[in-house]
Amino acid sequence: RKEVEQDPGPFNVPEGATVAFNCTYSNSASQSFFWYRQDCRKEPKLLMSVYSSGNEDGRFTAQLNRASQYISLLIRDSKLSDSATYLCVARNDYKLSFGAGTTVTVRA
Amino acid sequence: EPEVTQTPSHQVTQMGQEVILRCVPISNHLYFYWYRQILGQKVEFLVSFYNNEISEKSEIFDDQFSVERPDGSNFTLKIRSTKLEDSAMYFCASSESTYQASYEQYFGPGTRLTVT
Repeated sequence: RKEVEQDPGPFNVPEGATVAFNCTYSNSASQSFFWYRQDCRKEPKLLMSVYSSGNEDGRFTAQLNRASQYISLLIRDSKLSDSATYLCVARNDYKLSFGAGTTVTVRA
Repeated sequence: EPEVTQTPSHQVTQMGQEVILRCVPISNHLYFYWYRQILGQKVEFLVSFYNNEISEKSEIFDDQFSVERPDGSNFTLKIRSTKLEDSAMYFCASSESTYQASYEQYFGPGTRLTVT
């Protein structure tokens, strides 16, 4: 079973739209969670950490449900620059386990 | 803003050769990592390093691989006797700590390794 599973998409949305997607993780002992974004052939860039209480960073909102082992990301008022692959990540001690990514394309 | 740097950006080598990939982590960070991403696949953990020793490694990180912090700034990944399947993007990352808010890992731009 994969450690982190994501809907690969693609999610194709117009500028200004709201898009939401999620992932599930298999290891209930995972200690913390993150969303990274990755542009084509570039390094993963940390978008935000995800907390149990839910957290917001500008147009981005992340939620964690430990009982269901489920993490979500919502992007409001999408910009063209939000087009990327979003990676759901779980941390166990020193190791980050990455999902395969959800591709989002924002069109003008 | 401090960042992780990696050299070279692209390395081409012949099967069976040894390569050394170099990284300069963020200066106040204490934990260092190597990940790899084969084209079209997900990012995979290779190894973590703290206090001059390996703290965790994956099944991928076999005897062919080694890591070293040869001085106060560089962190290297050596791959002995490269194989075709070692072709991938190799990312170095660092974090301040593994506790609370400082455990966030920041990635370098990667070295694309091509084994021919």
